[in-house]
Amino acid sequence: KNQVEQSPQSLIILEGKNCTLQCNYTVSPFSNLRWYKQDTGRGPVSLTIMTFSENTKSNGRYTATLDADTKQSSLHITASQLSDSASYICVVTGFQTGANNLFFGTGTRLTVIP
Amino acid sequence: DSGVTQTPKHLITATGQRVTLRCSPRSGDLSVYWYQQSLDQGLQFLIQYYNGEERAKGNILERFSAQQFPDLHSELNLSSLELGDSALYFCASSTGGVNTEAFFGQGTRLTVV
Repeated sequence: KNQVEQSPQSLIILEGKNCTLQCNYTVSPFSNLRWYKQDTGRGPVSLTIMTFSENTKSNGRYTATLDADTKQSSLHITASQLSDSASYICVVTGFQTGANNLFFGTGTRLTVIP
Repeated sequence: DSGVTQTPKHLITATGQRVTLRCSPRSGDLSVYWYQQSLDQGLQFLIQYYNGEERAKGNILERFSAQQFPDLHSELNLSSLELGDSALYFCASSTGGVNTEAFFGQGTRLTVV
């Protein structure tokens, strides 16, 4: 069964600190993995995308890693800011066209406090 | 702006009523997905359409239905509404291709009273 699991469910950190969010998946065959940021009450927005051959991708203070062998990904946030408070969702795309090939994790809710 | 338009943004209705949520996908996107997000919950996949045809169903209730029209916009119909149907309903669109990215609308917040 194609599944995406994220941990932790929620996380509270102090402003300026770093944190790492985890995503494990069983989707196969695998096409790519994206991390989305979802501000409260708004639609998710893509942060990074990684295909099978990529093992790291950065977007400013966000760095995603991918180990396609172990089917694990992480999102590292450095020097956190209050605006980083949001839900971070891992989305894995299966290698199928035209079908529901998007599999969502339930997200990690990050709260950055002053 | 993701290019995906959802209307209305907010909807308040009474139990037992029926509502229709509308989604216009990004230009050129053939796939439309509908998701439900209850308070403090993750995105729950409801249904997907690809070029007018239903392609996949998730945990969609029988009281809910959807369709995708020839111009590719989609509507999600919710009937016999219950208090528990109150949620954010998101539409996303994608090309449906292999390295597809889902672009999300801003959602419709449905409140059933």
